[in-house]
Amino acid sequence: GAGVSQSPRYKVAKRGQDVALRCDPISGHVSLFWYQQALGQGPEFLTYFQNEAQLDKSGLPSDRFFAERPEGSVSTLKIQRTQQEDSAVYLCASSPHPTGLNSPLHFGNGTRLTVT
Amino acid sequence: DAKTTQPPSMDCAEGRAANLPCNHSTISGNEYVYWYRQIHSQGPQYIIHGLKNNETNEMASLIITEDRKSSTLILPHATLRDTAVYYCIVYNTDKLIFGTGTRLQVFP
Repeated sequence: GAGVSQSPRYKVAKRGQDVALRCDPISGHVSLFWYQQALGQGPEFLTYFQNEAQLDKSGLPSDRFFAERPEGSVSTLKIQRTQQEDSAVYLCASSPHPTGLNSPLHFGNGTRLTVT
Repeated sequence: DAKTTQPPSMDCAEGRAANLPCNHSTISGNEYVYWYRQIHSQGPQYIIHGLKNNETNEMASLIITEDRKSSTLILPHATLRDTAVYYCIVYNTDKLIFGTGTRLQVFP
């Protein structure tokens, strides 16, 4: 069965460019999370969707970061005017239930973004 | 969410049991203990979780102390493929908060 799929697997951007990272969650999963993982660190929460509603965006580091999930399935994380400090692995995770229930997350393998 | 404390690294011989400790002294009554692991270049993988009772599945066992202030993840027969970073997370109603985990190195 298909798991969480992220594309591209690797992305190199020049400083100042805009990038868009895609996440295809497991079909039917209600919850979708984005995490950012810097080298040698644990993943850090960015934002959470329940279906198409973005219920928590408290982890987005600046207004250059924007996420959407317009139809409640595929999600896109957009970073505008990329900076070197944006270099990281961006992880997407999904769950069949809303948060608050006893439900593990299923993670994709991430997109490694390198800003030069 | 409660914070967790884990040793930064551990070694284990192949075929032996790996016992990974985690302290979560500020855990509250309705918070679960979750364990994930992350193999190099992959996303985190769910292992096991529990509330009060010890739990076992095909991957591991989770032992939670009676006061719930600490737990141990047990990999009964470690293999080289178990080399990874292991994260202990206390989870309630919101989002998983990862620490820096324990880097487990399984050696031949």
